Amino acid sequence: DAGITQSPRYKITETGRQVTLMCHQTWSHSYMFWYRQDLGHGLRLIYYSAAADITDKGEVPDGYVVSRSKTENFPLTLESATRSQTSVYFCASGLARADTQYFGPGTRLTVL
Amino acid sequence: SQELEQSPQSLIVQEGKNLTINCTSSKTLYGLYWYKQKYGEGLIFLMMLQKGGEEKSHEKITAKLDEKKQQSSLHITASQPSHAGIYLCGADMRVYNNDMRFGAGTRLTVKP
Repeated sequence: DAGITQSPRYKITETGRQVTLMCHQTWSHSYMFWYRQDLGHGLRLIYYSAAADITDKGEVPDGYVVSRSKTENFPLTLESATRSQTSVYFCASGLARADTQYFGPGTRLTVL
Repeated sequence: SQELEQSPQSLIVQEGKNLTINCTSSKTLYGLYWYKQKYGEGLIFLMMLQKGGEEKSHEKITAKLDEKKQQSSLHITASQPSHAGIYLCGADMRVYNNDMRFGAGTRLTVKP
């Protein structure tokens, strides 16, 4: 009964490489979200998904791709990583778009 | 700029002291959420407020939403080292495609 998990917890990659961050939830929540957390900006929404095969852009979607083939998984891909994408990434899930969200432990990504 | 302004940005208090964190918006807050983030970890949901004038308490933490629904406060009574962390407010402002927006956070240190 892990709730919501993210992997990897830490990742170092190089500019231009593709990176995929994984998110898995066991609550069967309809909605899933990806945020990035940066000093001075707080949490900013990258993408969200209302259900399997339904995704939409958030506040800062450029440079990211998401998919949701199964309700429980919501991977985030950086197709060609840039230094500006160095951040802590949080996955969250919830019953509605603007409602209580339950967060994963985060992935700290460093792009060299 | 942040749609949700949190103050103070950081706070250092002696154990046993009371403290208040504020979250302010120029827009109406239709749902106001308080989260706590321990260093290097994900966000933990604390409380949700929806009605103007609403107040909720859990253990030594009390959150209030003002009558105009544009400001919320989080008050901790008799602070303990376990209260240390980053407190974030998040809100549904019925703008930005109904996405949640978050404040930048308040970093609380409690000295024993």
